[in-house]
Amino acid sequence: QVQLQESGPGLAKPSETLSLTCVVSGYSISNGHYWVWIRQPPGKGLEWIGTIYQNENTFYNPSLKSRVTISLDTSKNQFSLNLDSVTAVDTAVYYCARLVGPYPDAGYFDYWGQGKLVPVSS
Amino acid sequence: EIVLTQSPGTLSLSPGERATLSCRASQSVSRSYLAWYQQKPGQAPRLLIFGASSRAAGIPHRFSGSGSGTDFTLTISTMEPEDFAVYYCQQYSGSLTFGGGTKVEIK
Repeated sequence: QVQLQESGPGLAKPSETLSLTCVVSGYSISNGHYWVWIRQPPGKGLEWIGTIYQNENTFYNPSLKSRVTISLDTSKNQFSLNLDSVTAVDTAVYYCARLVGPYPDAGYFDYWGQGKLVPVSS
Repeated sequence: EIVLTQSPGTLSLSPGERATLSCRASQSVSRSYLAWYQQKPGQAPRLLIFGASSRAAGIPHRFSGSGSGTDFTLTISTMEPEDFAVYYCQQYSGSLTFGGGTKVEIK
C-alpha cells in the first residue's frame, strides 16, 4: 500500500520560504511515476503546484513557477517543496500526491498524503 | 488553461436519492482526460473516476462517470450516508486544473 506523509514547519512568515517534505512508503520513487504538490486554501478549491520525476526533471504551474522549487531524494524516498517569498495568500493545506499519466502535467492523482496546513503569518 | 465549471454549487439530497453532478470545460478535454474526486472535511481528496468513466480501485459501482468533449457528469445512483461530501472534477488534457467543487449535503 502506497502511503505519503507531509512534514515540515507548521507556520511560515511573510516574505520567507515555505518548506515541506513528503516521505513515500510502500513504493520506491526510483521505480517511476510522477510526484506532485497540490494546495488548497481554507474553504477553497485545489491548485496543482508542480511535478517531479525520478530523473529529477520538474514541471511547474506557470502561475507559481518563479517561486517554486521541487526536489527529490531517492536515498530517503522523499521529495520536497520550497515556495519562496510567501504571503498570506499562500496560506493553504499542502498535499503531496502521486500522478499517474503520460506526462508531468497530464495525469490524475491516485495516492495522496493527509495534508499539512501551513498558515503564513508573522 | 482549461477552466472547469462545476454545477450546482450545492446539491441537497436525501439518502437513497440519485445525485447528478456536472463539470463543464472551457475547451474540449481531449482523450477524455477527466477525473473525479471526493473530499470529506479534514481529509485529502480520494480518486473516484479517471478517464471520464473508469472507476478507481475499490470505488463502489454506484459511482459512475460519463461525458466527453466539454461536458462531463458524475452520477451516484443511490446516495449512501458516507457519500455526503464535496466532489471535484480535474482535467489533465491541457496542464492540470480542478473545478470549484460541488457540495452534496443532506436534505
